[in-house]
Amino acid sequence: DSGVTQTPKHLITATGQRVTLRCSPRSGDLSVYWYQQSLDQGLQFLIQYYNGEERAKGNILERFSAQQFPDLHSELNLSSLELGDSALYFCASSVEQRGKNEQFFGPGTRLTVL
Amino acid sequence: DAKTTQPTSMDCAEGRAANLPCNHSTISGNEYVYWYRQIHSQGPQYIIHGLKNNETNEMASLIITEDRKSSTLILPHATLRDTAVYYCIATYAGNMLTFGGGTRLMVKP
Repeated sequence: DSGVTQTPKHLITATGQRVTLRCSPRSGDLSVYWYQQSLDQGLQFLIQYYNGEERAKGNILERFSAQQFPDLHSELNLSSLELGDSALYFCASSVEQRGKNEQFFGPGTRLTVL
Repeated sequence: DAKTTQPTSMDCAEGRAANLPCNHSTISGNEYVYWYRQIHSQGPQYIIHGLKNNETNEMASLIITEDRKSSTLILPHATLRDTAVYYCIATYAGNMLTFGGGTRLMVKP
């Protein structure tokens, strides 16, 4: 158990819909990262937040957005869903102290778009 | 991030040491070498990381060559539960992780 929690575990929805994925980082971790893993693309970085502020952006579509709240939990919002958005979405957190920058991953949310 | 190259797959006998190589010839001076693994569709699991010196923890050892152009992850006594995809990533501390294809390690009885 990494200490990172993600909800829901599974999500099945239809094309055109909007969903919200939630992530609670490990206690004390200020940094949250979102990754997408699809069969054809592998694990890809989407976006990073540090203490409520966006820090880095990867291959995140404009239809996707994220935020980190004052209690440090984060949400990833996916809208106008397409079949190709079906994937595993992982959240990771990191304490980001000197010498301690390893990321700890949650169990993921499996999104299926029908 | 520096590009890393790993073998696509490896086999190891249960109880033996598993030695997973990684090339990162373009690594810069401040980039760390991180190792993660992913068992089936679970979230990636942090294993170990290092900058210049060899490192050891309860899971594995990391040997980094003196020129830092390559490294080896060593699982000293592989078990069936170590069957996973192992990712070697060279990046700056605090950066996002860029996952390549990794090495699919199969531990066999």
